Amino acid sequence: NAGVMQNPRHLVRRRGQEARLRCSPMKGHSHVYWYRQLPEEGLKFMVYLQKENIIDESGMPKERFSAEFPKEGPSILRIQQVVRGDSAAYFCASSVSSYNSPLHFGNGTRLTVT
Amino acid sequence: SQELEQSPQSLIVQEGKNLTINCTSSKTLYGLYWYKQKYGEGLIFLMMLQKGGEEKSHEKITAKLDEKKQQSSLHITASQPSHAGIYLCGADVSNSGGSNYKLTFGKGTLLTVNP
Repeated sequence: NAGVMQNPRHLVRRRGQEARLRCSPMKGHSHVYWYRQLPEEGLKFMVYLQKENIIDESGMPKERFSAEFPKEGPSILRIQQVVRGDSAAYFCASSVSSYNSPLHFGNGTRLTVT
Repeated sequence: SQELEQSPQSLIVQEGKNLTINCTSSKTLYGLYWYKQKYGEGLIFLMMLQKGGEEKSHEKITAKLDEKKQQSSLHITASQPSHAGIYLCGADVSNSGGSNYKLTFGKGTLLTVNP
C-alpha cells in the first residue's frame, strides 16, 4: 500500500517538550500539506510544502511551529515547547499537483500533551 | 458562522435504505471534495466536483454539485454497514478561492447503518 504514511500514530509529550511528526507522501506526489483537527473542531489547514520549499504557511501558528520537506526524506512538522492546547490529531496529505488534484490523507498522529 | 454547513449532523438508517447528506456554502464553490473518515483514522477521498451541475458516482455513492455551485449532496443507495462513518465536505472558501489545498471542512455527518 503506497498511501500517505505518518508516524508515530500516537505521541505523548509533557509540557515544554518538543514534538516531531513525520509524513511520507504517496509515491509520485511532491506536494505535502499539514492539517490539524482539534477536539470538537473541524480540520484546519496549516501549511503547504513542496520539496525544500514552504509554499503557504498561512494556517500555521507563528510561534513554536515549523515544517519542512527536505530533498531527501519525509516531511516533518515540529512543535517546540508544547502546551496542552497543542493536543490534537495532526494529518498530513499529499497530491500530485496543486490544481484540480484531490488531497490524499494519512491516518494522522494523535498528539497528547500532559 | 460555519462557512460550510453540513446536514444532518448525524443520521441513523437501516441497512438497505437510501440516504442523502447535504453541504451548503454561502460562497461559490470552485471545487468541492467529499471524504469519509472512520473514528481514529484518516480521511478517505471519495469524490471531487468542479463544474456546476456535475454528478459523479462510485459504487453506490453519488455526489452532485448544483448549478449555482453553492450546494452539494451525497447520496448513498442501498446503504450497508460498511458505509458507516463520518462524511466530510471540503472546499476552498477563502476570498481567492479555487485552490485544492486550503480546504475548509464542514463539521461532518455521522452515519450509522444498522444491520
